[in-house]
Amino acid sequence: GAVVSQHPSWVICKSGTSVKIECRSLDFQATTMFWYRQFPKQSLMLMATSNEGSKATYEQGVEKDKFLINHASLTLSTLTVTSAHPEDSSFYICSAREEGVYNEQFFGPGTRLTVL
Amino acid sequence: QKEVEQDPGPLSVPEGAIVSLNCTYSNSAFQYFMWYRQYSRKGPELLMYTYSSGNKEDGRFTAQVDKSSKYISLFIRDSQPSDSATYLCAMKIPGGYQKVTFGIGTKLQVIP
Repeated sequence: GAVVSQHPSWVICKSGTSVKIECRSLDFQATTMFWYRQFPKQSLMLMATSNEGSKATYEQGVEKDKFLINHASLTLSTLTVTSAHPEDSSFYICSAREEGVYNEQFFGPGTRLTVL
Repeated sequence: QKEVEQDPGPLSVPEGAIVSLNCTYSNSAFQYFMWYRQYSRKGPELLMYTYSSGNKEDGRFTAQVDKSSKYISLFIRDSQPSDSATYLCAMKIPGGYQKVTFGIGTKLQVIP
């Protein structure tokens, strides 16, 4: 299957700082990428859909000014958590959609964010 | 009512057992059904992808979809300790951004 990478794999930051997470599709081009958040013992929750060259589409309840998404190229999307607070601590996972018959989504390994 | 219901477990089985994992859903618009495996602190890995009612087999894994009952299953034969992980069912509606809706995941432990 296609490979999606995320960087960093884990990050610890102080409250009030901003953190940028990168998501890259390594062997295919992805017009659409997705950002998910997963809290312990909970399912993946879609935060936003990122489209190359246009504004992201955010799910209800997700603050677009707090979670900035940029999809500048067909292989890279970034999520910036601005003014992070302890309640933002979570596991953030991106996926990239490979265009084809089934438009399968391939997931990155995730980024664990801890805000102190 | 959640769109996708999945028992979180945990489910413990002895090595070699047949494992049955299930999800129910309420939205009849779902047409594509997936099963993902997620190891601890890792991203989900796609295991099976089906789009019609019936069975689909891949090695030790069999995915079953019953659209009339809004019920999907994943069977694992000859389970191995390496199968210990959380299994998430997922489904999506064709067209548009094709948002995927996930179940909460069932934690499986295969005991040697």
